[in-house]
Amino acid sequence: AQKVTQAQTEISVVEKEDVTLDCVYETRDTTYYLFWYKQPPSGELVFLIRRNSFDEQNEISGRYSWNFQKSTSSFNFTITASQVVDSAVYFCALRGNAGGTSYGKLTFGQGTILTVHP
Amino acid sequence: EADIYQTPRYLVIGTGKKITLECSQTMGHDKMYWYQQDPGMELHLIHYSYGVNSTEKGDLSSESTVSRIRTEHFPLTLESARPSHTSQYLCASRGRGYEQYFGPGTRLTVT
Repeated sequence: AQKVTQAQTEISVVEKEDVTLDCVYETRDTTYYLFWYKQPPSGELVFLIRRNSFDEQNEISGRYSWNFQKSTSSFNFTITASQVVDSAVYFCALRGNAGGTSYGKLTFGQGTILTVHP
Repeated sequence: EADIYQTPRYLVIGTGKKITLECSQTMGHDKMYWYQQDPGMELHLIHYSYGVNSTEKGDLSSESTVSRIRTEHFPLTLESARPSHTSQYLCASRGRGYEQYFGPGTRLTVT
């Protein structure tokens, strides 16, 4: 069974602070894919990043960075110099790749509500 | 940028009514999905489709039904709405890549 845990239900920061959203996952698959999605108040889920299990290189995209560590089964997301527009719910998700589950089921974490105050 | 559309965005309807939530994508994606998101934020897969004339139930049991007659269209129907169906419904699609692209969602309230 697959599981994604986002232990932080809510985080509140002041603008320009750095913030890290934690994600821990469980899977028995040797190949898998990890994702982060952003859900602003408007409701849609916006795809941010995908990481393959065989690629542990960290990634930076502007103010966003992701730290993937297989040894601790974690895929954490850091926002540097946060802005009010970063306020949203952030979801971590996992897709396994075993048993011919080709429909691409995503297992989502519970989500973290990030509020950035001016 | 993905092009996936859902209508209506908001719907308030009385108990017992039949409703259809529309989902369309213009990317030619074979795989499409319906998720239900409860107020506690967690997302649950309720239906998915590999392609035309292929539909399967997801992890969460749902009284809704879906159809896939055209690649671009994946509507969800509730024959008789109940207050327990009040939720946000999100449609997604996937092409050859691994990421799913989501529509804006439909917020359904059944009174």
